[in-house]
Amino acid sequence: NAGVTQTPKFRILKIGQSMTLQCAQDMNHNYMYWYRQDPGMGLKLIYYSVGAGITDKGEVPNGYNVSRSTTEYFPLRLELAAPSQTSVYFCASRIDRFTDTQYFGPGTRLTVL
Amino acid sequence: LAKTTQPISMDSYEGQEVNITCSHNNIATNDYITWYQQFPSQGPRFIIQGYKTKVTNEVASLFIPADRKSSTLSLPRVSLSDTAVYYCLVGDVNTGNQFYFGTGTSLTVIP
Repeated sequence: NAGVTQTPKFRILKIGQSMTLQCAQDMNHNYMYWYRQDPGMGLKLIYYSVGAGITDKGEVPNGYNVSRSTTEYFPLRLELAAPSQTSVYFCASRIDRFTDTQYFGPGTRLTVL
Repeated sequence: LAKTTQPISMDSYEGQEVNITCSHNNIATNDYITWYQQFPSQGPRFIIQGYKTKVTNEVASLFIPADRKSSTLSLPRVSLSDTAVYYCLVGDVNTGNQFYFGTGTSLTVIP
């Protein structure tokens, strides 16, 4: 199993541009998450999904959108990028509601200039 | 959403046992306590999880007192490779779709 994979690894955006961060997992996990981590800080939850077709907001959803059409993929969309969105973005998956263990991807480092 | 409080940083010499305490005063009945480890430029990695008393695996031990308002992660005989940030999370296994990571504890192991 590849686990949780994320692309791209690095990206530089100009203010106002848009992009999609890709996340895929091959473990057939129902739950998936998107976090952001600013330098020296902990992770903050952006959006999460409990299954295909179901998504919900986390702690810091403004400026982002998600979709979950299949179990495997959970892309994060940034519209109108702003410097405040410069961060490292982590995608994670979890088997189900009865298991707290999350498996994280390697992260995407995004810089908005 | 139960939040947690941890020391910001700790130093330890190689070979010593390290204990990191996490405070979670508002823990709910259905909440489990989970610890993650994060190395620079990597995603967090699961270490250990528990509900009450003591849990031990090949990497660490987790001690949870009867009132469950705190927990202690114990790392036996740390090495330089244990230098990382350690996060304590509290989550409801039934409805806990959100997890609060906090700022974590930065552990530095000194030779």
